[in-house]
Amino acid sequence: KAGVTQTPRYLIKTRGQQVTLSCSPISGHRSVSWYQQTPGQGLQFLFEYFSETQRNKGNFPGRFSGRQFSNSRSEMNVSTLELGDSALYLCASSLLGDTEAFFGQGTRLTVV
Amino acid sequence: GDSVTQMEGPVTLSEEAFLTINCTYTATGYPSLFWYVQYPGEGLQLLLKATKADDKGSNKGFEATYRKETTSFHLEKGSVQVSDSAVYFCALTRASYGKLTFGQGTILTVHP
Repeated sequence: KAGVTQTPRYLIKTRGQQVTLSCSPISGHRSVSWYQQTPGQGLQFLFEYFSETQRNKGNFPGRFSGRQFSNSRSEMNVSTLELGDSALYLCASSLLGDTEAFFGQGTRLTVV
Repeated sequence: GDSVTQMEGPVTLSEEAFLTINCTYTATGYPSLFWYVQYPGEGLQLLLKATKADDKGSNKGFEATYRKETTSFHLEKGSVQVSDSAVYFCALTRASYGKLTFGQGTILTVHP
């Protein structure tokens, strides 16, 4: 059974640009969550999608957005990148969002 | 709001030593509790979980017991190996639509 797949693994972007990250959940999982991991703030919840609807959102500015497609794949977008957006972005999938979550390997975003 | 506190790290042990990583939480109701492990350059892997008071989660020699009276979920292993070197995260969810609340992580280094 394939795990959670995140693409790309690494990204380098310039301040002011925008970026889109992709996440393919485990087959059959309908909930996808996104997290930001930084040395200073640790792991912080961004948002969760279930059946193409955002059900939960963390405390991040509106520059951070996401969406989910009918096949449960999800994308997150960050617009007007700032240096502080440099982080490891992790995607997690679960059956319904209230059960154990399985994480992808993450996308390492560097903003220069 | 919900919060998770882990013992200060890093933790350095010799192979075959006993491991304890303390974790306490603050949350209303009855959260589910988890330990995740992160190896260098990787995402998070679920190590073990407990969903109700007095449950004991166990996996690969690691154990943790859900203690509601002390709001704790301490991770233990009787004999660590070099391959256990990683970052360990304690986390909770209150079935709140995919949101996991994480502790700050504890770096474990095991020397031969």
